[in-house]
Amino acid sequence: SQQGEEDPQALSIQEGENATMNCSYKTSINNLQWYRQNSGRGLVHLILIRSNEREKHSGRLRVTLDTSKKSSSLLITASRAADTASYFCATLSRGNTPLVFGKGTRLSVIA
Amino acid sequence: EAGVVQSPRYKIIEKKQPVAFWCNPISGHNTLYWYRQNLGQGPELLIRYENEEAVDDSQLPKDRFSAERLKGVDSTLKIQPAELGDSAVYLCASSLGWWGNTGELFFGEGSRLTVL
Repeated sequence: SQQGEEDPQALSIQEGENATMNCSYKTSINNLQWYRQNSGRGLVHLILIRSNEREKHSGRLRVTLDTSKKSSSLLITASRAADTASYFCATLSRGNTPLVFGKGTRLSVIA
Repeated sequence: EAGVVQSPRYKIIEKKQPVAFWCNPISGHNTLYWYRQNLGQGPELLIRYENEEAVDDSQLPKDRFSAERLKGVDSTLKIQPAELGDSAVYLCASSLGWWGNTGELFFGEGSRLTVL
């Protein structure tokens, strides 16, 4: 079963706007990761945030983590048409457990 | 450096036929995963290997699915016989061993299976 739940399921924005996606999860985690998947392709790792971190940046990406609310958000600033993809959050729990993915948010960036 | 390689990329078969998918992970990655991704959903773990050992196969439908990772390198996932509900994308991923690892996964392009 999938632990993460992304919100919204789909998002459509204009090029240049910011896109925000949210992820909620259920159990304590070691870290939370965000992946992107272009249509018909495999998933690509974007960014990882550890449970003791609250915010992290990578280029146009900003991730926040609120462990008290068991939630995370991914912000893509100044979006581009090439950002059109599905975005998944994935959680890694403590111990020798595998990464568990959410159902994803489908982002469409219109030029 | 080569990424995770999967084959075939696409496979169309009739129900009750067998099918096999192959995966070659990134060199040096001890952990290998097979995920299944249904349309519009996130990947769901089928099996995870640490070297040659299957350490998590609780979600693998063992009546028709089998997997192996001989010599702790490449892996094969087999379905026999296939059912209509097996239509999905089968993703292989690899990572460094879980100890001291952040758990970041490197995915292949996937094998899209269509069962008619």
